[in-house]
Amino acid sequence: EVQLVESGGGLVQPGGSLRLSCIASGFTFSNYWVHWVRQTPGKGLVWVSRINNDGSSTVYADSVRGRFTISRDNAQNALYLQMNSLRAEDTAVYYCTRGLPNYSSFDSWGQGTLVTVSS
Amino acid sequence: DIQMTQSPSTLSASVGDRVTITCRASQSISSWLAWYQQKPGKAPNLLIYKASSLQSGVPSRFSGSGSGAEFTLTISSLQPDDFATYYCQQYSINPLTFGGGTKVEIK
Repeated sequence: EVQLVESGGGLVQPGGSLRLSCIASGFTFSNYWVHWVRQTPGKGLVWVSRINNDGSSTVYADSVRGRFTISRDNAQNALYLQMNSLRAEDTAVYYCTRGLPNYSSFDSWGQGTLVTVSS
Repeated sequence: DIQMTQSPSTLSASVGDRVTITCRASQSISSWLAWYQQKPGKAPNLLIYKASSLQSGVPSRFSGSGSGAEFTLTISSLQPDDFATYYCQQYSINPLTFGGGTKVEIK
């Protein structure tokens, strides 16, 4: 069974940092591009970042570029999102999700982890 | 960025109704469009990919059509389990973008 399990969310003050993790199982992790998508409580879905299957290529939304870093460890079947200089508007549930290389929809999602940025 | 506009934002319907949701892209995205269903407190679930391909395990009452910049999701006969929010997503050009969602409510 394909599984993606996020962790690392919590309450952090504005300007602080947090590192999210996503552990994959049930499939060959290194064959997939993986993404972070976030959802503000009660609002819609916003794509955040993507990393290709060997980690050599990353893409970010304008709203997080320069503050967030996506990375992966294929040996550990793990995806990460290092979030620095956090702002109130980064408050959201963060999902990890997978897609095949290049043009691909997201066929499996984690359960999400809540990040709250507040003083 | 490609803007994805869904309509309506809310839809009231009864069990057994035929339901259609529209998604318009601000530029052509070929057929690189997906539809997701999301229930409260849960992650989105892929229904349709490449505009009209049914994801494995998804009931055949769901169908997608369109290409270029205009797309539709149709539920042929609404079931109790289908009351949820539906999102379209383009995956043609970065940044990947989602529509604002359509909430299907019980009439």
